[in-house]
Amino acid sequence: AQTVTQSQPEMSVQEAETVTLSCTYDTSESDYYLFWYKQPPSRQMILVIRQEAYKQQNATENRFSVNFQKAAKSFSLKISDSQLGDAAMYFCAYRSGAAGNKLTFGGGTRVLVKP
Amino acid sequence: GAVVSQHPSWVICKSGTSVKIECRSLDFQATTMFWYRQFPKQSLMLMATSNEGSKATYEQGVEKDKFLINHASLTLSTLTVTSAHPEDSSFYICSAREDRQETQYFGPGTRLLVL
Repeated sequence: AQTVTQSQPEMSVQEAETVTLSCTYDTSESDYYLFWYKQPPSRQMILVIRQEAYKQQNATENRFSVNFQKAAKSFSLKISDSQLGDAAMYFCAYRSGAAGNKLTFGGGTRVLVKP
Repeated sequence: GAVVSQHPSWVICKSGTSVKIECRSLDFQATTMFWYRQFPKQSLMLMATSNEGSKATYEQGVEKDKFLINHASLTLSTLTVTSAHPEDSSFYICSAREDRQETQYFGPGTRLLVL
């Protein structure tokens, strides 16, 4: 079974600074997808970014970018120019490439943004 | 973007009653929907995978007779918590996977409190 590990329970960042969240996963598959979801205090899960394993290029969405190291099974999220609205729980998730498969979530990292 | 709604957003009920939670994909078709449970300060725990027109697949340890799932159309899945007890109090979240994509979109969640 796949496992997803987020080793940082909480990270603090100064407004306008950069913070990197780590995520590692364990799988024997070659075809899969990786995601970062944000859960603000409202508890609505919001997709931040996704990465297909077959793509070598790291995904980027505005101030959010990932560092995908397939061989190391690492998928970190970098938040640049942090804003107060970035404060939330961030969950890393894995999904097998097989159709209909479920998401496996990491334990989450709480991001605090200091003004 | 893809929108998933959940109803109700919160519910308080007496022990022994049944509660139905609806999950709808508003602007896309979803053959597959998922039901999660989230305890405070914890990650999402998958309860079951709901497939349109067929029986749901439950995760290990989840009582299928306790948590009834019906996925009657391509845009609607329902979760019924039968004979609810205080230990069923939790935050329930659904997600829907758009048939043409590999991404799950989440509903806003339902807070259930059983007295």
